[in-house]
Amino acid sequence: AQSVTQLGSHVSVSEGALVLLRCNYSSSVPPYLFWYVQYPNQGLQLLLKYTSAATLVKGINGFEAEFKKSETSFHLTKPSAHMSDAAEYFCAVSAGAGGTSYGKLTFGQGTILTVHP
Amino acid sequence: GAVVSQHPSRVICKSGTSVKIECRSLDFQATTMFWYRQFPKQSLMLMATSNEGSKATYEQGVEKDKFLINHASLTLSTLTVTSAHPEDSSFYICSGSSNDETQYFGPGTRLLVL
Repeated sequence: AQSVTQLGSHVSVSEGALVLLRCNYSSSVPPYLFWYVQYPNQGLQLLLKYTSAATLVKGINGFEAEFKKSETSFHLTKPSAHMSDAAEYFCAVSAGAGGTSYGKLTFGQGTILTVHP
Repeated sequence: GAVVSQHPSRVICKSGTSVKIECRSLDFQATTMFWYRQFPKQSLMLMATSNEGSKATYEQGVEKDKFLINHASLTLSTLTVTSAHPEDSSFYICSGSSNDETQYFGPGTRLLVL
């Protein structure tokens, strides 16, 4: 079974500041991890994913995340926030290849990012 | 690439009627499609998983006779909400996957049942 905890339902940063969105996971098998972004009244867009290759994953729009097995974390970062980054971000986990839940995503509760001018 | 569309984007219906939502993968073959619902200010909850040509697998607590899912081709899945009631009002999102590794999501369908 998998679960995801996103620490902080709301994060507020100033434009140009560092963005850090926290995600911790639990998985009984080696996980695949994902970050998605959702703009109001829209579906989810994949930002980046970890699938057991490099632990530091770079995604779109300048975001990156680092898989830390010892900390069971997959935090999302961006060095400099832009106004257009304001959205809701979801961390998700699925079982890796060979797992019985391979392909099924379990989502965190989401973190709303607000960017101030 | 990896674009998924949904139709309609929003629908209002009367209580007791049925509503069909289409989910299409436009530029890839989705061997697996997933249906989620999302309540306001909440995360996505998986309703069911469907593989092309076979019956959908429903998550615990989801009524399969109420939420009919058909995945007739590698590019189309439909969700029919039968005898809809106000409590079925929600944002329904589908996703498709070609390799079970990454899901690509549609833009969602907002259903309002009066």
